[in-house]
Amino acid sequence: NAGVMQNPRHLVRRRGQEARLRCSPMKGHSHVYWYRQLPEEGLKFMVYLQKENIIDESGMPKERFSAEFPKEGPSILRIQQVVRGDSAAYFCASSTLEYSGNTIYFGEGSWLTVV
Amino acid sequence: QQQVKQSPQSLIVQKGGISIINCAYENTAFDYFPWYQQFPGKGPALLIAIRPDVSEKKEGRFTISFNKSAKQFSLHIMDSQPGDSATYFCAASFTNAGKSTFGDGTTLTVKP
Repeated sequence: NAGVMQNPRHLVRRRGQEARLRCSPMKGHSHVYWYRQLPEEGLKFMVYLQKENIIDESGMPKERFSAEFPKEGPSILRIQQVVRGDSAAYFCASSTLEYSGNTIYFGEGSWLTVV
Repeated sequence: QQQVKQSPQSLIVQKGGISIINCAYENTAFDYFPWYQQFPGKGPALLIAIRPDVSEKKEGRFTISFNKSAKQFSLHIMDSQPGDSATYFCAASFTNAGKSTFGDGTTLTVKP
């Protein structure tokens, strides 16, 4: 299965710790997107990356959150000094091209719980 | 300001019935309107999508109806089955499908 791979699937962190979520896009995909889904809510766009570049981070919180997509390896969403409000499902998606009619494929998500 | 409003929040339908989920959008620049299906513990999966130059698109039991003047679009699931029980999200985007604005979702339960 060459789908979008996310890990860990579940992550528990204490308040103040760091969370790192990883995403490997589908083979051949160079565009990666991160979304956050709070309980009982829809997905909210966070950031769009291509290899070594952040293209659009308009949905990222201004503090504590960062993302990267290095030349080699998976994309990483990093949350520093986590708080209870960061508890959510974080989904990564990937696509081949950037255009409005393109199909994007989602991973199965990483569920972060902050205790 | 919520740019895509979805209703109802939850829906219960008998097996064989028609499920209808509605969405309204505000930004007339949107030009791509997909629907996603999400099962518990899984990521969303594209179900069907439409562009505003088409008023209806059908794929199997799933149909999107699009009303550009009203800025509304809806998903119709014909002959609903228990296996269709899931959360459905509408979305809208322009220029880049990866940067979509999602509705808050509709939890569909199809009773046998």
